[in-house]
Amino acid sequence: GDSVTQTEGLVTLTKGLPVMLNCTYQTTYSPFLFWYVQHLNEAPKLLLKSSTDNKRTEHQGFYATLHKSSSSFHLQKSSVQLSDSALYFCALRRGSALGRLHFGAGTQLIVIP
Amino acid sequence: GGIITQTPKFLIGQEGQKLTLKCQQNFNHDTMYWYRQDSGKGLRLIYYSITENDLQKGDLSEGYDASREKKSSFSLTVTSAQKNEMAVFLCASSRQGTNTEVFFGKGTRLTVV
Repeated sequence: GDSVTQTEGLVTLTKGLPVMLNCTYQTTYSPFLFWYVQHLNEAPKLLLKSSTDNKRTEHQGFYATLHKSSSSFHLQKSSVQLSDSALYFCALRRGSALGRLHFGAGTQLIVIP
Repeated sequence: GGIITQTPKFLIGQEGQKLTLKCQQNFNHDTMYWYRQDSGKGLRLIYYSITENDLQKGDLSEGYDASREKKSSFSLTVTSAQKNEMAVFLCASSRQGTNTEVFFGKGTRLTVV
């Protein structure tokens, strides 16, 4: 079945440093990948999405590239800010199904001064 | 824009009790979802509905019932609350399509005593 793996449960970084949150997926269908961000006591919100192989997509300083050859969609930012502290979810939707998103376990990012 | 409203925000129940969570959306979206969020386990799909009166089981449907009364509302029933159960239940909605954004409510936090 379809699945998403996020290897880091918790990432703690000092403000200004770069970050990469890992996301790999498994599906036999054409994949659509998403990154959602959830701040404390807030609803998850879409950060990035992509279905195009090897094309970088960016939003709010974050960027990710879908690599179908390695089944990866890692989230990166060159310089984290205190406001980036949040829970980040990678999600997969296969091209042939209606609606369903499969989420990874999530990565908690904590940015310290 | 639109909004997803979940009621109640906090729900305390007793073991064995039947509990109902409600969700309303004004996006005019066809598809609605119920996800359960547990710490360290990501978001797991309980039920979803691609149109009014439709119901599809997710990965975690045992112990739950759902009802799509009309296009804008989707309710979830915990059929028999389990003691010491604590989780956040997230309602979401989206247009149909593989690349469409899923919008989430802020959640109902359930505690069973």
